[in-house]
Amino acid sequence: AQSVTQLDSHVSVSEGTPVLLRCNYSSSYSPSLFWYVQHPNKGLQLLLKYTSAATLVKGINGFEAEFKKSETSFHLTKPSAHMSDAAEYFCVVSERGSQGNLIFGKGTKLSVKP
Amino acid sequence: KAGVTQTPRYLIKTRGQQVTLSCSPISGHRSVSWYQQTPGQGLQFLFEYFSETQRNKGNFPGRFSGRQFSNSRSEMNVSTLELGDSALYLCASSLGDREAFFGQGTRLTVV
Repeated sequence: AQSVTQLDSHVSVSEGTPVLLRCNYSSSYSPSLFWYVQHPNKGLQLLLKYTSAATLVKGINGFEAEFKKSETSFHLTKPSAHMSDAAEYFCVVSERGSQGNLIFGKGTKLSVKP
Repeated sequence: KAGVTQTPRYLIKTRGQQVTLSCSPISGHRSVSWYQQTPGQGLQFLFEYFSETQRNKGNFPGRFSGRQFSNSRSEMNVSTLELGDSALYLCASSLGDREAFFGQGTRLTVV
């Protein structure tokens, strides 16, 4: 069975400092991995995805994530936080080739202090 | 290209009633999935439809049902509403094995 664990429910950073949101996954198959962001009262927006190509994945708004199979991790990073990055972030896993059934982590709420 | 459209955006229903939510996918997308988001349980998969057939189903009671039409639009229905059904219901569409695109959701409140 597939599962996702987001190691922090809340992360707080200062504007201009690095962001690290941690995610570990469990999958019996070759997984596809995603990070989605949800701003208040909004739907989910895809930040980036890993589907077995390069292990370092670049996404929108300066975010990137590295797939580490040996550590079963897919942590999300950004070199410099911006106020507009404040939102909830979800790490997501799906079986390769089937994006119809996504397994979501519990989410990490990112706060950015001025 | 228009995104995923969900209607209505907000809904208030009374316990015991039923409700139908609608989702129009991105043009050309044939897969539509539904998710329930609550503060306690997070985001949970309800079901997926592809070409009018239910392809996957999550662990929800039979009160939750859905269907997909020939134009790929989808509806989900919840019968005999309970207070615990209050949630944000999100619809996502995808093209083959590409990433899923989400609508803004329908906020259902059961009183």
